[in-house]
Order: sequence, then structure tokens, then C-alpha cells
Amino acid sequence: NAGVMQNPRHLVRRRGQEARLRCSPMKGHSHVYWYRQLPEEGLKFMVYLQKENIIDESGMPKERFSAEFPKEGPSILRIQQVVRGDSAAYFCASSPSPAGRPGRHYEQYFGPGTRLTVT
Amino acid sequence: GQNIDQPTEMTATEGAIVQINCTYQTSGFNGLFWYQQHAGEAPTFLSYNVLDGLEEKGRFSSFLSRSKGYSYLLLKELQMKDSASYLCAVRVNAGKSTFGDGTTLTVKP
Repeated sequence: NAGVMQNPRHLVRRRGQEARLRCSPMKGHSHVYWYRQLPEEGLKFMVYLQKENIIDESGMPKERFSAEFPKEGPSILRIQQVVRGDSAAYFCASSPSPAGRPGRHYEQYFGPGTRLTVT
Repeated sequence: GQNIDQPTEMTATEGAIVQINCTYQTSGFNGLFWYQQHAGEAPTFLSYNVLDGLEEKGRFSSFLSRSKGYSYLLLKELQMKDSASYLCAVRVNAGKSTFGDGTTLTVKP
């Protein structure tokens, strides 16, 4: 059972270009989460999606950032007109369900991350 | 708002025991997670607490007190490979988790 897959692992973009980050959840997982991690900092929640639905995007910057999780294919995090401050590691995680039943829980399984560098 | 505090750095000796504390103030609470993250790698799940008390899993144990907004991760019989960042995270609702900035643990021989 393959884990969460992200590609590319490293992405270099010039200021003003677009960055597209892809995430394929674990088999059987229909819930995807995107996080951003700046150097020496913790993970910052960006967005939570189910298939074809954005459930919680309270951590997404209001401009330039968007996310989708189509019925078929990977989840995509898109950053338009990138700026140097967007340079970070972007992690995707997946789970089979967002909340656990009594006695069970569903942790999030993380992908290896995409390291975005904006020059 | 959400606030999760944990020490920035800790150092311990191989074979010893170390306790990493985490305090939280969040708008919601659906469980507390601990993750391990080696430099340049993805976080990996260590433990989950939703009820008060101690959960033990091998060399690692995690404790939760919801009334105090407090948790700790206990690592026993430290090994060099335990040198990593340890992230405390609170699931504040069904989908969203808030992470602390992590505690960098250095294990010395």
C-alpha cells in the first residue's frame, strides 16, 4: 500500500510564475490536508478537502492560493504569481476519515513534501 | 485563536529519559497528536490522546490533562536516532489540526 505521494519533491520558480503542487492520498483515503512549513517552524494548516469539496480553507491566504481535489486524480495546490515569501515546504496529508469513532481515531499520514524555492 | 507552546530545544543523553511538554489553548479539542519529524522529512505519527491519562507505546508514552490544557511526550531509553523534531498538534475540529512549532531534541552519546 503506497503512502501519500507528492510531486514534485523540489520546485524552483521565479517571482511571478505559477506553482502547482500535486498530492495523491493513500489508497482508500478520501480526505486531504495541506500544510506549509517555514524553516525552523511548525506546520501551518492551510486547507482541508474531500473529493470535489473544500471543507475548511481557513488557513489559506485570501489571494493567489487555491486548492482542489477532483473526483479523479490528485489534489492540487496552486500558487499564482509566486513571491519569495512563498518559499517553504508544503506537506500534504491524508486520512480515511476526519474524525474518529469512540475508541478509534484517524491520524493523518503525511507525504514527503514539496520544497518550493522562489528566486 | 489557537496557541500551542512547546520548548524550542532539548538535549539529552543516550539511554536516558526525556519529557517534552506541550500546553495548548484552542477553540476546540478533538484530540492531541504527537509527531516525529527528522530534518527534511515528513512528520510521522507517534501517539494520540483524547481522554485524560497516559498512553504507552513501547519506548514512547504520551500523557494528557484536558482540564490543564497540557500534554507531554515521554521518551525512554533514548537512542541516537531519536534526535529529531517533535511536534505537538491539537485537532480543533473534524478536519483541522493546529501544530506547535516543534521541539528539536538532540541526543548525545
